[in-house]
Amino acid sequence: SQTIHQWPATLVQPVGSPLSLECTVEGTSNPNLYWYRQAAGRGLQLLFYSVGIGQISSEVPQNLSASRPQDRQFILSSKKLLLSDSGFYLCAWRREDTGELFFGEGSRLTVL
Amino acid sequence: RKEVEQDPGPFNVPEGATVAFNCTYSNSASQSFFWYRQDCRKEPKLLMSVYSSGNEDGRFTAQLNRASQYISLLIRDSKLSDSATYLCAVNHNDYKLSFGAGTTVTVRA
Repeated sequence: SQTIHQWPATLVQPVGSPLSLECTVEGTSNPNLYWYRQAAGRGLQLLFYSVGIGQISSEVPQNLSASRPQDRQFILSSKKLLLSDSGFYLCAWRREDTGELFFGEGSRLTVL
Repeated sequence: RKEVEQDPGPFNVPEGATVAFNCTYSNSASQSFFWYRQDCRKEPKLLMSVYSSGNEDGRFTAQLNRASQYISLLIRDSKLSDSATYLCAVNHNDYKLSFGAGTTVTVRA
């Protein structure tokens, strides 16, 4: 069966520091992968999605970037964090036949 | 206009009650529809897909109304464990799933 993992689960970072969140999927090949962010009390905002290695689509302009160095690895990065980057970051993979998304456990980022 | 909109609630209901709420979407070409459940500080988990003819999974019933562009979720015989935020999701094309901000349901003893 397919599983998806994210890490770290929680982090507190100062403004201006870099960020790297990792996500890996097991049990499926060439999945569509997604990064969403959920601000406190808000809905899920799609940040990036990837349909294959090295292919990244960005949904909103921001100081975040994503990379997909391997088929089942998706990384979210920032060179310099802003206060507004605080939130709950969720990685997801898409089941091809049904379009359903399945999420990792999430990474909760607080920027101080 | 937002792509997907939900009544934020909260819906406070006693155990055993029926609760229902809707989600409206703006893109008439939307193809796939889903309900997710999200517990506090946890990731969303798929509750059920919504089919054109409507579908039921135990105490949960989902309906799609394409003419009025909304989907609904009905929970019968509410349990304390049903307390959560329910997110609707709408697929506009092959790759992107847009989510509503969620409807909070609180079931009280």
